[in-house]
Amino acid sequence: AQSVTQLGSHVSVSEGALVLLRCNYSSSVPPYLFWYVQYPNQGLQLLLKYTSAATLVKGINGFEAEFKKSETSFHLTKPSAHMSDAAEYFCAVSRYNFNKFYFGSGTKLNVKP
Amino acid sequence: DGGITQSPKYLFRKEGQNVTLSCEQNLNHDAMYWYRQDPGQGLRLIYYSQIVNDFQKGDIAEGYSVSREKKESFPLTVTSAQKNPTAFYLCASSGGANYGYTFGSGTRLTVV
Repeated sequence: AQSVTQLGSHVSVSEGALVLLRCNYSSSVPPYLFWYVQYPNQGLQLLLKYTSAATLVKGINGFEAEFKKSETSFHLTKPSAHMSDAAEYFCAVSRYNFNKFYFGSGTKLNVKP
Repeated sequence: DGGITQSPKYLFRKEGQNVTLSCEQNLNHDAMYWYRQDPGQGLRLIYYSQIVNDFQKGDIAEGYSVSREKKESFPLTVTSAQKNPTAFYLCASSGGANYGYTFGSGTRLTVV
C-alpha cells in the first residue's frame, strides 16, 4: 500500500525566510516522488520529481527536495521565500509499473511581507 | 505546445441536470484521470483510464460516469445522482509512473 502524509495544512513564513514543507510516504517498494504547486483556480504544476537517480532533486523556482529512505521523507525546501511562492503544495507518490498516483492533503504556504 | 485542455472554466448547473466536463490532451498519453478537489480535502480520484475503451472507478465514482472512445479525450459526466457536485474538477494525463501527471487548468462546477 502507498500513502502520503503532509505535516501542516498551513505554513506561514516571512519573505526571505527558509521554506520547509514536509512530506512522508509509505511504500512497499522504491517509490517515485513528486511535488506539485497549485495557484488559486488553476491546475497543478510539477515542481520536481525523484525517480531513483540523485537523492537531492532540484526543481523550478528555486525549490529542491531530498529523498531520505531511512526517514521515508521527501521534504521540499527553498532557501529564501518570495511573495510569489504563496500557493498550495502537494506531495505525491507512485512506483515503477504502477500508473496511479497518491496525493497528500496539501500544504498552503503563506508568505508575509 | 502539448498539453491538456479542460472546458469550460466555469460551469453552472441546476439541480437534477446532468452536465459533461470536457478534457482533451495532445500529449499522446495513454493514461488519463479525473480528480475532484474540495477545500481542505486534497485531491480525490473519481475515474481513471489506462487505455482506450477501458476505465476504472476511483475512490469517489458514485454519481459520475466517463467514456474513453479516443486516446485524446476523457469526458466526465456529473449526473443528477451526485448529491454534492459543487467542486473544482481536475483532469490529468500521464506518460508513465516516473513522469508524473500533467494537469489541465480545471473546471469549477457550481450547482444553483
